[in-house]
Amino acid sequence: DAGVTQSPTHLIKTRGQQVTLRCSPKSGHDTVSWYQQALGQGPQFIFQYYEEEERQRGNFPDRFSGHQFPNYSSELNVNALLLGDSALYLCASSLSGRDMEEQYFGPGTRLTVT
Amino acid sequence: GNSVTQMEGPVTLSEEAFLTINCTYTATGYPSLFWYVQYPGEGLQLLLKATKADDKGSNKGFEATYRKETTSFHLEKGSVQVSDSAVYFCALSPYGNNRLAFGKGNQVVVIP
Repeated sequence: DAGVTQSPTHLIKTRGQQVTLRCSPKSGHDTVSWYQQALGQGPQFIFQYYEEEERQRGNFPDRFSGHQFPNYSSELNVNALLLGDSALYLCASSLSGRDMEEQYFGPGTRLTVT
Repeated sequence: GNSVTQMEGPVTLSEEAFLTINCTYTATGYPSLFWYVQYPGEGLQLLLKATKADDKGSNKGFEATYRKETTSFHLEKGSVQVSDSAVYFCALSPYGNNRLAFGKGNQVVVIP
């Protein structure tokens, strides 16, 4: 049973560019959440997708957007990259209606903006 | 708003020593509380959780008790091993919502 997978593992972009990160949830999970983890910090909630719609959003600008596909996989898009967007981006999956259940995290995508 | 505060700085200790990592929280209502662990090069893994006051979560020798009166969820282990070296994050999710708010994490280094 594959867990949460993310691609790519590492990415280097230049300021002003756009980036797309991908996530495949754990088998049987229908909800995907994205988190940003800056170096030396805890993860910060970006947003959550369920039934192909954004269900919740954290305190992130509109440059951060996402999408969920019918197979529950998800993308995170960041436009007009800033140096401060350099971080580890984590995807977590869970099953809707089971709020107290564990969220399963992927290994993350390390984004470096130069 | 909801927030989690962890004690500052890394923790370095010898094998078989007692480990405590402090965690306090601010939240409205009755959140669920979690400890996650991040081993080098790996994703976050749930270590233990507690969903209501006075609950004790436990796993792999680690324990934490949900203390509503002190808004705390301190992590403890009686005898650490080198393999426990990792970063430990305290987190909460509001009642009925699985959006997680994390603390800054504590690097734990266990020396043989």
